[in-house]
Amino acid sequence: NAGVMQNPRHLVRRRGQEARLRCSPMKGHSHVYWYRQLPEEGLKFMVYLQKENIIDESGMPKERFSAEFPKEGPSILRIQQVVRGDSAAYFCASSPVLDRYNEQFFGPGTRLTVL
Amino acid sequence: TQLLEQSPQFLSIQEGENLTVYCNSSSVFSSLQWYRQEPGEGPVLLVTVVTGGEVKKLKRLTFQFGDARKDSSLHITAAQPGDTGLYLCAAADYGGATNKLIFGTGTLLAVQP
Repeated sequence: NAGVMQNPRHLVRRRGQEARLRCSPMKGHSHVYWYRQLPEEGLKFMVYLQKENIIDESGMPKERFSAEFPKEGPSILRIQQVVRGDSAAYFCASSPVLDRYNEQFFGPGTRLTVL
Repeated sequence: TQLLEQSPQFLSIQEGENLTVYCNSSSVFSSLQWYRQEPGEGPVLLVTVVTGGEVKKLKRLTFQFGDARKDSSLHITAAQPGDTGLYLCAAADYGGATNKLIFGTGTLLAVQP
């Protein structure tokens, strides 16, 4: 059973460009979470999605960031008009159910560098 | 704002030594996880604890959840170089619409051969 897949692993963008990060959850998992790890900071929650629904986006910056998890295909985290401060590691996690154990399994991450 | 404080922040020890990492909060959580993260990789789940006072063992690693479900500890016996990495505690408050994880500040462990 393949783990959580993320691509690309590394992404370089110039200021003002768009970044698209993709995440395929583990087979059978319908809950997807995105987290960001800034240099010298811990992992911070960004958004929680189920198929075709955004459940909690309380950690998403109000502008330029969006996320989706379509009926078919991977979850996408989209950052428009990137700025240097967006440089970070972005991790996707998935879980099979919403229960008190709350076990989330993480992908290898996408490291975004904004020049 | 819920916060998870880990201590120590950094730990450098010799192979064979024992160590304990702490994760503390003023909030009560329904579950707490410990992860290990290596450079360039994502966090790997080590254990989940859900019951106050619960103790779980994973080979040389012992995890404990505080009685009040506000704190946790990770104890490693006879550390090995392969234990080197960033240890993260993470907690969630089940019962709402989301199970987002709140991560601790991390403990960077280096085990010297």
